[in-house]
Amino acid sequence: GESVGLHLPTLSVQEGDNSIINCAYSNSASDYFIWYKQESGKGPQFIIDIRSNMDKRQGQRVTVLLNKTVKHLSLQIAATQPGDSAVYFCAEKAGGFKTIFGAGTRLFVKA
Amino acid sequence: AAGVIQSPRHLIKEKRETATLKCYPIPRHDTVYWYQQGPGQDPQFLISFYEKMQSDKGSIPDRFSAQQFSDYHSELNMSSLELGDSALYFCASSFRGGQIEAFFGQGTRLTVV
Repeated sequence: GESVGLHLPTLSVQEGDNSIINCAYSNSASDYFIWYKQESGKGPQFIIDIRSNMDKRQGQRVTVLLNKTVKHLSLQIAATQPGDSAVYFCAEKAGGFKTIFGAGTRLFVKA
Repeated sequence: AAGVIQSPRHLIKEKRETATLKCYPIPRHDTVYWYQQGPGQDPQFLISFYEKMQSDKGSIPDRFSAQQFSDYHSELNMSSLELGDSALYFCASSFRGGQIEAFFGQGTRLTVV
């Protein structure tokens, strides 16, 4: 079945370092990918998205890379800050409305 | 800016009772999604509505039903509640269907005792 997986359940980085959170997906028909950040007790918050006709997209301090050949997605956070500590989910859509979330990576930022 | 509003924020019900969760999307958003998130788990897609019609269905139990009303708000009705239904229920909304980013509400924490 469809699945979106993350390689690591937790990631610990030093404040100021760059963070890379990885995601592997299995549905080659997926054409829209989203990264969400979820802080404790809150709803997922949109960070950045990318469509399958692109391989890179940049936002403020964040970059998403898409490698369709190996079905891999990554989120890069530059100069990680304590406020970046949260659980990060990648999500995919293959047309339609259903969004499939991955298992999440918890990012810890050490001061 | 207005966000997705969910009510109630917290709900405690006993087994076999019913519960109704409400979601008010961002103004002008025409699509609503419902998700269930168990402790330490990723959000699981339940159901979505686009222009008041069911647009997609995920792992929603038969005991649950939902609808989107003429004012675009949505309600998730849950009957014969089980202990395993205890979770965070999120509603999200988007504009122009499913190919646009969705904005999530703060969620309703349902506890079944």
